[in-house]
Amino acid sequence: SQTIHQWPATLVQPVGSPLSLECTVEGTSNPNLYWYRQAAGRGLQLLFYSVGIGQISSEVPQNLSASRPQDRQFILSSKKLLLSDSGFYLCAWSRDALNQPQHFGDGTRLSIL
Amino acid sequence: QKEVEQNSGPLSVPEGAIASLNCTYSDRVSQSFFWYRQYSGKSPELIMSIYSNGDKEDGRFTAQLNKASQYVSLLIRDSQPSDSATYLCAVNMGNQFYFGTGTSLTVIP
Repeated sequence: SQTIHQWPATLVQPVGSPLSLECTVEGTSNPNLYWYRQAAGRGLQLLFYSVGIGQISSEVPQNLSASRPQDRQFILSSKKLLLSDSGFYLCAWSRDALNQPQHFGDGTRLSIL
Repeated sequence: QKEVEQNSGPLSVPEGAIASLNCTYSDRVSQSFFWYRQYSGKSPELIMSIYSNGDKEDGRFTAQLNKASQYVSLLIRDSQPSDSATYLCAVNMGNQFYFGTGTSLTVIP
């Protein structure tokens, strides 16, 4: 069966510090990968998605970036965090086929001080 | 503009009642539809997928799809306090996923 791992679970960072969140998927190959952000009490905002190694599509212009160095690894980064970057960050995967559901990791709760 | 709309609620039902959650979407050619449950502070969990018009049942959950009217609904029978959560509707439109903002459900013991 497929599993998705996301870490860390919680993170407290000062404004202006860098960020690296990692997500890995096991049990499948060539998944589509996604990063979402969910502000408190709000819906899911798609940040980035990837259909293959090195292929990243950005949905929202911001100070975040994403990379996919390996088939089942997806990394979300920032060089300098802003207060507005606080939120619940979720990684998700889906099979590389039409009409497939997305499956979410446990998420990272990021607080910026 | 592709959209998925849900009533944000909150929706309150007594324990044992049927909870009915609704979702409308904008793209007529959408082919796949999903319901997720999200407990407070947790990540969304897939609970139902539906691809064809009509009803699909899984335990206490029934998803209903009407492509002509562009809506999908989720019925929860015999609602339990453990069903209290936010329910997200998701639609695959143009091979991209679109989520609604969710409906908050509270089941009152």
